[in-house]
Amino acid sequence: DAGVTQSPTHLIKTRGQQVTLRCSPKSGHDTVSWYQQALGQGPQFIFQYYEEEERQRGNFPDRFSGHQFPNYSSELNVNALLLGDSALYLCASSRSDRLGTEAFFGQGTRLTVV
Amino acid sequence: QQQVKQSPQSLIVQKGGISIINCAYENTAFDYFPWYQQFPGKGPALLIAIRPDVSEKKEGRFTISFNKSAKQFSLHIMDSQPGDSATYFCAASMHNFNKFYFGSGTKLNVKP
Repeated sequence: DAGVTQSPTHLIKTRGQQVTLRCSPKSGHDTVSWYQQALGQGPQFIFQYYEEEERQRGNFPDRFSGHQFPNYSSELNVNALLLGDSALYLCASSRSDRLGTEAFFGQGTRLTVV
Repeated sequence: QQQVKQSPQSLIVQKGGISIINCAYENTAFDYFPWYQQFPGKGPALLIAIRPDVSEKKEGRFTISFNKSAKQFSLHIMDSQPGDSATYFCAASMHNFNKFYFGSGTKLNVKP
C-alpha cells in the first residue's frame, strides 16, 4: 500500500502565478482533505472533497479551489499567488464510512512563492 | 480563535525520561482527539487517538490521558528515546467530519 502520495514534493512559483498540487489517497479511501502548514505552525484546514464535491471549507479565500476525480484523487489550485501562500500543503485521506476516526497524511508539497 | 491550545512550544528530555505534552480545547462537540508526530520535511503521522468516553489510552510507550470535565488531554511518552525527537501535534474533530483543528505543535528534543 503506497499510502497517500502527493506531487510535486517541492515547487517554486512567482507572485501572481497559479499552481496545481496533486494528491492520490490511500487505497480504499474516498475522502480527501487539504491543509496548509506554515513554518512552525500546525496545519490549517482548507477544504474537504467527497464524491467529487466540496463538502467542507475552512477560512481560505476563493483563490483556493479544488477538484476530486472519479478515482478519488484530488487537486488543489491556488490562483494569484501571494508571498504568504508559501507553506507546506498537506493532503489527508480517510474513509467516508469511518469519518471521525483516522486520517492519513501525505508527505506534503513545499510551495515557495518568490 | 484557536480551537486547540498546545503547550509547551518546545521540550527537552533526557533519554529514558518521560515527555509530557498538554492540550486544551473549547468546543465540547469535539469527539475525536488524535496525536500526530511529524519529522522535518515529512507529513504528520498518526500516533495515537482517543474518544471522550475513555479517560486513558495506552499504546506501547505512548499514553493519552483525557479529562473531559477540564476539556484537556495530554500525551505521555515513557522511556523517551532520541528517535522520538520530532514535532508533536494534538488535534480535535467533531461529528464524523475529518476536519481537524490542530494545536500549534511541540518540538521535542530527546538528548542521549
